[in-house]
Amino acid sequence: GEDVEQSLFLSVREGDSSVINCTYTDSSSTYLYWYKQEPGAGLQLLTYIFSNMDMKQDQRLTVLLNKKDKHLSLRIADTQTGDSAIYFCAEKGELTGGGNKLTFGTGTQLKVEL
Amino acid sequence: EPEVTQTPSHQVTQMGQEVILRCVPISNHLYFYWYRQILGQKVEFLVSFYNNEISEKSEIFDDQFSVERPDGSNFTLKIRSTKLEDSAMYFCASNRQVAGDTQYFGPGTRLTVL
Repeated sequence: GEDVEQSLFLSVREGDSSVINCTYTDSSSTYLYWYKQEPGAGLQLLTYIFSNMDMKQDQRLTVLLNKKDKHLSLRIADTQTGDSAIYFCAEKGELTGGGNKLTFGTGTQLKVEL
Repeated sequence: EPEVTQTPSHQVTQMGQEVILRCVPISNHLYFYWYRQILGQKVEFLVSFYNNEISEKSEIFDDQFSVERPDGSNFTLKIRSTKLEDSAMYFCASNRQVAGDTQYFGPGTRLTVL
């Protein structure tokens, strides 16, 4: 079945850039997503990228997709303490008519230090 | 901005008891999902629901689980006889259409089975 993997932890200093990486196995992925989860909270959609794109920028967020290597990354510029959270990569497989499940990665705990 | 809501936020139950977790998806959405996240683990897909029937379910979603859309606004997940290993955060999600549409998640219900 599909699998999505991420590194578990990342620690950065406030003001630096953070890069969170993700690899996936599903060659028929159509969309890839980044969700943010703060302690005790739900999953907040941050951004997504369609599989025929290489890059998407949204304010401080840059998503890079290497479809050949099945590698996705999320870059957060000027990381702030409020960015401390768990970041989940998720992929949606081949589109069907009945809805499409998301397959999530393990989540990367981002810690921003002063 | 419309959002997915879930009740209760925390449910404590005894092993063997039935629980019903409730969700109100975004009003013009047509596809509904349940996911769960056991503490410290990945978010896992349980079931998707469209046009008043299950469109896909995972291996986790066995005969102890059922879903229902009893009226035009609620979407419920029932666990008939809870087990200790059902303890998890349960997330409801919805999206308007399949293609090119992101899933919006509720805040989750934390289920604790004693």
